[in-house]
Amino acid sequence: TQLLEQSPQFLSIQEGENLTVYCNSSSVFSSLQWYRQEPGEGPVLLVTVVTGGEVKKLKRLTFQFGDARKDSSLHITAAQPGDTGLYLCAGEWNAGGTSYGKLTFGQGTILTVHP
Amino acid sequence: NAGVTQTPKFRILKIGQSMTLQCTQDMNHNYMYWYRQDPGMGLKLIYYSVGAGITDKGEVPNGYNVSRSTTEDFPLRLELAAPSQTSVYFCASSYSRKPNTEAFFGQGTRLTVV
Repeated sequence: TQLLEQSPQFLSIQEGENLTVYCNSSSVFSSLQWYRQEPGEGPVLLVTVVTGGEVKKLKRLTFQFGDARKDSSLHITAAQPGDTGLYLCAGEWNAGGTSYGKLTFGQGTILTVHP
Repeated sequence: NAGVTQTPKFRILKIGQSMTLQCTQDMNHNYMYWYRQDPGMGLKLIYYSVGAGITDKGEVPNGYNVSRSTTEDFPLRLELAAPSQTSVYFCASSYSRKPNTEAFFGQGTRLTVV
């Protein structure tokens, strides 16, 4: 079983502050996805990173995949109350074959942005 | 667009009862998945299917069964409900097994076993 360690588990900040969420593993992943989940809803994909060292930006969100494809980070600049939610990283892992899209999820980071 | 639809949204079961969680998708996706999400935890894969008639176990399959008779439907069966199965269950689907493929999730079924 592949494990993804996500940190921090909880993050409570003021509007306008910056934050970073980390996702680490001892395994190499073929791709890593970041999801956002609101209460009572399913996760919604934010971004997928595939290449080691890859950086993707989505407005105020910056996602990075580690060079060795074992870790990733999500950085939010100037957080807003609308960013409040559960953020999940999820890795797709191939053991020399195909993973069929199966995802291994981190524990999640509950982000609260206060006005 | 309906996407992935799960029913019911909420359910309370007594220990030992059985039930089926329904999942249907209208995107003609071959790949479908069942995950469970416990409080403060990420999602864990229960079962998955790569097409009609083909299913396989995920990380936590014990106590569950699935079937995939059509491309659209992927029901999850609990035969003898136990308190440890109290969780939120999510069904998901994707159209490809390629790494850059998005998985679409349903809204979840919140199950409590008492």
